[in-house]
Formats: sequence, structure tokens, C-alpha cells
Amino acid sequence: DTEVTQTPKHLVMGMTNKKSLKCEQHMGHRAMYWYKQKAKKPPELMFVYSYEKLSINESVPSRFSPECPNSSLLNLHLHALQPEDSALYLCATRGSSYNEQFFGPGTRLTVL
Amino acid sequence: SQQGEEDPQALSIQEGENATMNCSYKTSINNLQWYRQNSGRGLVHLILIRSNEREKHSGRLRVTLDTSKKSSSLLITASRAADTASYFCATVPVIGTSGSRLTFGEGTQLTVNP
Repeated sequence: DTEVTQTPKHLVMGMTNKKSLKCEQHMGHRAMYWYKQKAKKPPELMFVYSYEKLSINESVPSRFSPECPNSSLLNLHLHALQPEDSALYLCATRGSSYNEQFFGPGTRLTVL
Repeated sequence: SQQGEEDPQALSIQEGENATMNCSYKTSINNLQWYRQNSGRGLVHLILIRSNEREKHSGRLRVTLDTSKKSSSLLITASRAADTASYFCATVPVIGTSGSRLTFGEGTQLTVNP
């Protein structure tokens, strides 16, 4: 069982669609992360929220728009994506000052 | 950008054998962590070793850290088919806002054959 959940598990969208990825945690952690992972590659950091404020944006294109409505929820809004944006999108929370992270199961995104 | 390198990139062993994976990094670190990822799933935190530690054990896992060589190794003893996964090292830098980041290595794909 994971205490970080992500929905949906799979998402197929066209380049003109608008969709959202959702992440929810019940661990009481105050830092939450979005990563993008391509096949056979390590995760690439996209955004970090700390105490519900955006603290790191890794120069991600504006077609990806993060949102942190409260300390338990993290959304990633998607609009006008490109086929190369197809990847596994992972959410994570930070456990302590040592920065061990707890990952959700991911959303497999396919952009047609 | 990724600063870690892992070797080997792929490792195939028989059940019961030991598996050793290595990780090198470039900058000074606060700690180094190892994660496991089963195919298409999220990463699972395995073990963390602080910069002032040299060796740490957790069950069948043994991690070493050599800060003078900027390298770490992960040993999995008595491997099982269920250990088949990708293994990533990740470093946390010493200071600044970068402490919020994990810098991942490229990963080792371990296959344990029954």
C-alpha cells in the first residue's frame, strides 16, 4: 500500500485536450514534488511545493501548470501537450530534512 | 541535470547470488539514498546513508559510502526473483535551496533469474 496516491493511472490525450493529474498524500508531509520520467531514464524534477507554495520550477514549459490547493493535494494541469510529453509522471512527498522521498505509483501519460 | 553515474547499467544474476551496484557523484553531499523501481511503477525508498557514515545495513541490503572517492555501492545479498527492478542512487547536496532536490543517477537494471 502506498500513502501517496495518483489518479488516473493511465491517460491518453490529444494535443488540443486539457486534462489534470491528481496526487494526494496522507503522510502529513509539507513538501510535494512532480517528476517526469521517460523509459529507462531517471526521474526528472519538474516542480517542488513547500508549505503549499511553489519553491522550484525547473524551467518547465507553461503547458504544464501545477497547483497545490492544500497540504494534501497536488495537481498538474495539462494543456496543448506534445507527443514528446508522453511519459510516466510521478508525484512524491518529502519525509524529513534528509529529503527521503515517498513516491506515488505514477500516471502513464500518452499524447497523441 | 543528473550528476550521478551508476554501473553497471544492467546486471543479470541467478537467484541466491549477490548483486552489487555502484554509484558515483560529483559534488559534496549531505546524504545518499537508494531507491528501487519496479517496471512502470513509482520509486520505493530503500536506504539512506549520511555523509559521515561509511556503511549501513538494512535486512539484505548493505550500503557503503566513500566520500573521498565520491562513490557508493549497494549490495543485495541472497537475491530473489522479486528483487528484479531498476535501482537508482540519489544524492542530496550539502547546502542551500538545492537541499530540496534529489539528484538521481542513471540507474542499474537488475534481473534475478529463478
